[in-house]
Amino acid sequence: DAKTTQPPSMDCAEGRAANLPCNHSTISGNEYVYWYRQIHSQGPQYIIHGLKNNETNEMASLIITEDRKSSTLILPHATLRDTAVYYCIVRDRNAGNNRKLIWGLGTSLAVNP
Amino acid sequence: EPEVTQTPSHQVTQMGQEVILRCVPISNHLYFYWYRQILGQKVEFLVSFYNNEISEKSEIFDDQFSVERPDGSNFTLKIRSTKLEDSAMYFCARELNTEAFFGQGTRLTVV
Repeated sequence: DAKTTQPPSMDCAEGRAANLPCNHSTISGNEYVYWYRQIHSQGPQYIIHGLKNNETNEMASLIITEDRKSSTLILPHATLRDTAVYYCIVRDRNAGNNRKLIWGLGTSLAVNP
Repeated sequence: EPEVTQTPSHQVTQMGQEVILRCVPISNHLYFYWYRQILGQKVEFLVSFYNNEISEKSEIFDDQFSVERPDGSNFTLKIRSTKLEDSAMYFCARELNTEAFFGQGTRLTVV
């Protein structure tokens, strides 16, 4: 089973920041937090990942709490094309042969005009 | 972002028939994966492939499934005798560093 908990759905106005929360209270010290998204049954798309420091790339920012038990993915200026299901996944970065991604149901984000 | 190409995009097959799903990743990646997603359900891990052999597989990946990397570039998933419940989207992925990059999927419909 997935080790993360996410709200099933969220709405966001176009142009505003979308803040997607994720709880991972049982995360271990070697596990990273990964975010992927899936637009309408297309292949999942990697967004960002982090260990304990906040991370930012061209797609999003990732804020991880100091105790690492939760995180927030931030899309700073959401567009209609950001409408998708967003998945938060924890995984040991150096997992050897145990590298599979375990998917939950994610958060269905609707960006509204 | 590394491109992953899957063929065909959609395949319809009769129950009991064999199907081969193909994926063309970049050859310098080490880890390759197959996942599937039944309509309306979670993405499920099937198998991972490292250094030309299976490194991990799920309970779904039974004797009816096999994977190959026959020519060093193509990566295939074979289902020997399809069942109705094999109908799903099948996604190939490859891993660069620790990030996985997915193809657009093959929609398999078993009738």
